Amino acid sequence: AQSVTQPDIHITVSEGASLELRCNYSYGATPYLFWYVQSPGQGLQLLLKYFSGDTLVQGIKGFEAEFKRSQSSFNLRKPSVHWSDAAEYFCAVGAWEYGNKLVFGAGTILRVKS
Amino acid sequence: DGGITQSPKYLFRKEGQNVTLSCEQNLNHDAMYWYRQDPGQGLRLIYYSQIVNDFQKGDIAEGYSVSREKKESFPLTVTSAQKNPTAFYLCASRIGTVTNEKLFFGSGTQLSVL
Repeated sequence: AQSVTQPDIHITVSEGASLELRCNYSYGATPYLFWYVQSPGQGLQLLLKYFSGDTLVQGIKGFEAEFKRSQSSFNLRKPSVHWSDAAEYFCAVGAWEYGNKLVFGAGTILRVKS
Repeated sequence: DGGITQSPKYLFRKEGQNVTLSCEQNLNHDAMYWYRQDPGQGLRLIYYSQIVNDFQKGDIAEGYSVSREKKESFPLTVTSAQKNPTAFYLCASRIGTVTNEKLFFGSGTQLSVL
């Protein structure tokens, strides 16, 4: 079965520090990968996505993610975190072979301390 | 401005009552989705529709029903059979039906049981 694991429920970083949010997936097919961000009580906004090609993808708000097939990972990174980055982040995986359904991870809550 | 509108923002349900959550989009998107969000569990797919007058069950469809009579609208009814309805519900749409296209999300409805 397809699954997505975000091992960290909460992460706290200092403003200006670097950030890495982990995402591991289990999929029996070539995956498409997404990172979404959710502010409290809001819908989700797409940060970035990977379909094919260059395994390092750039997204909005200075985020990037690297697809590592050998590790089944798609970790999200940002070199310098801003207080406005505090939110919940979701990794999601889909595959053409499994129709139109995305599978979401449980989310990682990011707290930023000043 | 184009977007997805969910209403109401907050909804309360009495025991044995059916309630309907509204989702309207003016993006001319073909596919629409309903997700349920519970703390620590990420998003789980309830129902989805790829075309008018057609919809499919997601992973947790029991206790829910939907209709897709118009392209713009995809209401979700939480029936009395859903014994644990308290959650945050998110509606989403996608321009096509291919998994690698991003989802656009509404701002959500928080449903609580009285």
